[in-house]
Amino acid sequence: DVKVTQSSRYLVKRTGEKVFLECVQDMDHENMFWYRQDPGLGLRLIYFSYDVKMKEKGDIPEGYSVSREKKERFSLILESASTNQTSMYLCASSLGARYSSSYNSPLHFGNGTRLTVT
Amino acid sequence: AQSVAQPEDQVNVAEGNPLTVKCTYSVSGNPYLFWYVQYPNRGLQFLLKYITGDNLVKGSYGFEAEFNKSQTSFHLKKPSALVSDSALYFCAVRDWNSGNTPLVFGKGTRLSVIA
Repeated sequence: DVKVTQSSRYLVKRTGEKVFLECVQDMDHENMFWYRQDPGLGLRLIYFSYDVKMKEKGDIPEGYSVSREKKERFSLILESASTNQTSMYLCASSLGARYSSSYNSPLHFGNGTRLTVT
Repeated sequence: AQSVAQPEDQVNVAEGNPLTVKCTYSVSGNPYLFWYVQYPNRGLQFLLKYITGDNLVKGSYGFEAEFNKSQTSFHLKKPSALVSDSALYFCAVRDWNSGNTPLVFGKGTRLSVIA
């Protein structure tokens, strides 16, 4: 089974702090994604990556950055945390485009990090 | 552009009754369609997908979904609901023609199964 591990289940940070959310997957997936989940808004894509050192902006990248130095690890960075970034953050991975079945392969999600910024 | 709509924020059903969670989509070409479930304090889990072929797709935990191209729908169904099915359900879509672009998710439907 694919395992996507998010390093923290709960985090409490102060406004202005730099925050790192870590995600590791163990199935050699090329694609990795960061979403935030808010009530009534569903899942919104922040950033994604199709390969090491590659990144693409999603729908709501403002206030965030990412790092992908190794294939298995995808980090989300809040440069200066603000209260409106209080949310559930979900990491996911999937097969890359070199596999013909990748376009219909499902995402595998971590259990999420619930971040509170005070 | 791709989009997906889940018209109901909440669905309530009695245990043992059939359940339906609705999803409609919009793509320019043909769709890949997915259903995911989220239990409390967990990430999303894959339930089933439609690629092509048979319009009735069977998935995990006794769930199935029916693809209807003319109505652009992909409703999730189960013949007999369990209390343990209570969760948040997400529909997602990707257009065949969009390549390896990320899935687009609906806003989710909360299912409550009442004993």
